Amino acid sequence: EAAVTQSPRNKVAVTGGKVTLSCNQTNNHNNMYWYRQDTGHGLRLIHYSYGAGSTEKGDIPDGYKASRPSQENFSLILELATPSQTSVYFCASGDDGEVVQDTQYFGPGTRLLVL
Amino acid sequence: GQQVQQSPASLVLQEGENAELQCNFSSTATRLQWFYQRPGGSLVSLLSNPSGTKHTGRLTSTTVTKERRGSLHISSSQITDSGTYLCAMERDSNYQLIWGSGTKLIIKP
Repeated sequence: EAAVTQSPRNKVAVTGGKVTLSCNQTNNHNNMYWYRQDTGHGLRLIHYSYGAGSTEKGDIPDGYKASRPSQENFSLILELATPSQTSVYFCASGDDGEVVQDTQYFGPGTRLLVL
Repeated sequence: GQQVQQSPASLVLQEGENAELQCNFSSTATRLQWFYQRPGGSLVSLLSNPSGTKHTGRLTSTTVTKERRGSLHISSSQITDSGTYLCAMERDSNYQLIWGSGTKLIIKP
């Protein structure tokens, strides 16, 4: 089974500070995703990647950057954190399988509080 | 407006009753996926269904893409089924998901 881990699990940051959320997957999936989850909004896609070196903008990329230095690692970077970025962030990985319908495997989430 | 709408927002049932969760989407979808979110927050994939009906255990997913709707049926509900059920629509074939806000299911003994 795919294993997706996230660090840190909880983070308190100050407004204007830099925050880096890390995600690691061990199943050799090509695709990785960053979502945030807020009450009443479900999950919203921030950035995603099709493989090492690639990053693409999702639905709500403003205020976030992403980095995919390797197949296994995908980071989400908040250069200047704001209170509106207080949320729970989920990383996911998935693959474009030819036969088996693809699904996404999720990490446990990171709770970020920006004061 | 929200592209994926789930109903009801919350559902309270007695153990053993069946649950019916609805998902409507406002644009063309290649398939629907259903996820379960544990009270602690982690997400688990349940079913992925492009069209028609799929079964796994006590779960039945039905997707009618022409009518832009889907449903998840949970038979003989158990207390451990409590949590939030999220429907996600996959648009095009680029594996991006658009999510509903979820249905919170509470199963009482």
